[in-house]
Parts: sequence; C-alpha cells; structure tokens
Amino acid sequence: AQSVTQLGSHVSVSEGALVLLRCNYSSSVPPYLFWYVQYPNQGLQLLLKYTSAATLVKGINGFEAEFKKSETSFHLTKPSAHMSDAAEYFCACGIQGAQKLVFGQGTRLTINP
Amino acid sequence: DADVTQTPRNRITKTGKRIMLECSQTKGHDRMYWYRQDPGLGLRLIYYSFDVKDINKGEISDGYSVSRQAQAKFSLSLESAIPNQTALYFCATSEGAIAGHPYEQYFGPGTRLTVT
Repeated sequence: AQSVTQLGSHVSVSEGALVLLRCNYSSSVPPYLFWYVQYPNQGLQLLLKYTSAATLVKGINGFEAEFKKSETSFHLTKPSAHMSDAAEYFCACGIQGAQKLVFGQGTRLTINP
Repeated sequence: DADVTQTPRNRITKTGKRIMLECSQTKGHDRMYWYRQDPGLGLRLIYYSFDVKDINKGEISDGYSVSRQAQAKFSLSLESAIPNQTALYFCATSEGAIAGHPYEQYFGPGTRLTVT
C-alpha cells in the first residue's frame, strides 16, 4: 500500500538557519508529490508540487524540494528560516491509478528567535 | 472571495445532537473530500465524492454521512454527535487526475467542532 512518512513530528530551528523537513514515500512507481503548509487557524495551502518534470521544484515563500527516486524522498528545504515560517507542514503523494492523495502525519516547524 | 468555503467556522454542540457542516466551492471541480484533523494524527479522510452520484467512504466514515447536493456543494453530517468527534474538519476539492495521478487538492478554512 502506498504511504507517506514524515520524519519528525516537531522540528525546531533558529531564525536564519536552514530548514529541512523530511518526507519519504512508498511506491513502486514515482508518484506526484506535494507539500502543503498550514498556518494556525487556517486550512492547508499548497507550497509546491512535483509532477515528473524537473526534480528540483521551487515553491512559494522561498521553499524548494528535490525528488530523489533512488531514495524515495521529497524533502522540503529553505536556506534561511523566517519567523513567519512557523507552521505545520504536510507531505502528500498521488500514485498513478489511486483515487486520492495520501498525506503524511505532518511536521510542526518552530522558529526560535 | 475564497474558492472553498465552509460553514460554520466554529461550532459547539452537545452529545447526541445532529449537526451538519457545509462546504461550497467555486473552482468548478468535480471531486470533493471531507477530512478530520486531530493533533498527532494528521489528516484522515472521512468521505469523498467524484461527482453528484459518486460518493465513497474514506478511512473513518463510521458515525458520519454526507450529501452531494450539487457539483459545488458537499455536506457532512454527524447524526448523533459524540465527544470523540471533537476535531477540526476540512473540506477539499480537486480537479481530478492528471495522467492517472490524483492531483492537488484545495482546502477550505476548516470548521472547529467541539462536542460536549
């Protein structure tokens, strides 16, 4: 069965430091992959998506993610964290032939001043 | 105006009461979804619908029912609310599949439901 694993339910970084949020998927064929962000008291907003074109995908707010087939990973990064990046982040995958996306458990990102 | 709207945004109700959460969308998407979010459990799919006549159970449908009144409207009902249904509920829409892959979903702002 397809699945998505986000390593680390909580990640804490200092303002200005690198942000790295990990996502691994389980699928025998490369899926479409998505990162969503959820700010407090809001719905999920799409950050970026991989749809089998370029493996390095740039999204909004300075985030990017790289699809690595050999590692079945799609980690989210941002070179320099900002206080406004504090939120919960969800990775999701859409496998060919499946009827719906599968979401990871989420990672809560805290930014320390 | 928001593309996906949910009403109410907050609701407190008592055990045993019937409650309906409503979702409307202006994106023109055929596919609509209902999720609940609980701390530490991520998003769990309750029901989904691919068109007005196609409704499917998700992973946690017990205690819930849905109605797809039109392409743009998808309602979630709790026939007899219980405290462990206290959660944040999200509606989402999708244009469907691209090259056979399920595509991105667009989420509403959520309804915070408390059952006392």
